[in-house]
Amino acid sequence: GAGVSQSPRYKVAKRGQDVALRCDPISGHVSLFWYQQALGQGPEFLTYFQNEAQLDKSGLPSDRFFAERPEGSVSTLKIQRTQQEDSAVYLCASNFRGTYNEQFFGPGTRLTVL
Amino acid sequence: TQLLEQSPQFLSIQEGENLTVYCNSSSVFSSLQWYRQEPGEGPVLLVTVVTGGEVKKLKRLTFQFGDARKDSSLHITAAQPGDTGLYLCSQGGSEKLVFGKGTKLTVNP
Repeated sequence: GAGVSQSPRYKVAKRGQDVALRCDPISGHVSLFWYQQALGQGPEFLTYFQNEAQLDKSGLPSDRFFAERPEGSVSTLKIQRTQQEDSAVYLCASNFRGTYNEQFFGPGTRLTVL
Repeated sequence: TQLLEQSPQFLSIQEGENLTVYCNSSSVFSSLQWYRQEPGEGPVLLVTVVTGGEVKKLKRLTFQFGDARKDSSLHITAAQPGDTGLYLCSQGGSEKLVFGKGTKLTVNP
């Protein structure tokens, strides 16, 4: 497809369940980013990949959050033992590593933890 | 960490009115981006400004970057319902974007 795609678009989990969120970046984009957006807030950085290498994971809120991009294309964000405070929209973005870091965002996955 | 403050937080206006929203930083931007986010969608890049004092126009939208590169404004002329959305500013120049909380704009027909 032409843009960044994410699946599922909506996910409801019971507290304590594990979830996996998928991101398909724009073909050829080297960099991939994950953000968390709480209701009424701007997106907050979680982690960044360049190809398959995870270069920055400083924004991951706890060790329950794990991201991978094994072949340098599709990425998965996994949240283990979900908590209510994990409820948010998770956005994925990709970038051809342009000069000013202009990123292209997917539609997001809205996670609700009950 | 650079903090970005956006104002106003909420803005509700009638179709045809003009408006300005602001983005201010505690430190100098290397570059600044404006995004618009519609409900249920990801942010979409509107513009990147780099040079102090720069002005860019995108149809009815005018973006200004402060001379000191610590602030920016977005002015919309003759707003339309299609302009409704969350307007976010972000600082770039490094690998991770830092966003403000955004201005939620509603344009009523």
